[in-house]
Amino acid sequence: KQEVTQIPAALSVPEGENLVLNCSFTDSAIYNLQWFRQDPGKGLTSLLLIQSSQREQTSGRLNASLDKSSGRSTLYIAASQPGDSATYLCAVRDGGAQKLVFGQGTRLTINP
Amino acid sequence: AAGVIQSPRHLIKEKRETATLKCYPIPRHDTVYWYQQGPGQDPQFLISFYEKMQSDKGSIPDRFSAQQFSDYHSELNMSSLELGDSALYFCASSLAEAGHEKLFFGSGTQLSVL
Repeated sequence: KQEVTQIPAALSVPEGENLVLNCSFTDSAIYNLQWFRQDPGKGLTSLLLIQSSQREQTSGRLNASLDKSSGRSTLYIAASQPGDSATYLCAVRDGGAQKLVFGQGTRLTINP
Repeated sequence: AAGVIQSPRHLIKEKRETATLKCYPIPRHDTVYWYQQGPGQDPQFLISFYEKMQSDKGSIPDRFSAQQFSDYHSELNMSSLELGDSALYFCASSLAEAGHEKLFFGSGTQLSVL
């Protein structure tokens, strides 16, 4: 059974810092991995989707990497801003399945 | 751009009552997913449909059922509601085409069972 873990559970940093969020998964036979952002009481916004054959994806100040063999992904946020404050969720889709298995998320606070 | 539309946004029900949640996917998306998110929890997969057929099933209670209609909208029917069913229910849609499987989520329906 696939399990997804995110570390740390919460992170608070001053504005302008570069930071890394970590995601690990137990079964490396994944189809793809997505990073989402969720604001309190709101829906999830997809940030980046990495296919199992890819090593990284970039969008603006965000860069996500995937090391399938070691069961890890990282989300790098450059030059953080207060507007980046949210919960960031990692989710994997196993091969042959449609459902996403989510991690518990990292609650990020960027202090002005 | 059109997004995933869910209705209602908020729903208050009593124990043992029935609730119906609706989801309208992004136009041309062929796959719909339902997720349940309890307070402080990560989203848990309930069920998905591809081209109106059930495609995957997760931890959906037998009291719940869902379907996708000919216009691709989907409904989640919940009967004999329990206090523990109080949660945020999300619908998401995507394209099944390889390389385009990014999920787009709706804003959710907040269900409160009293």
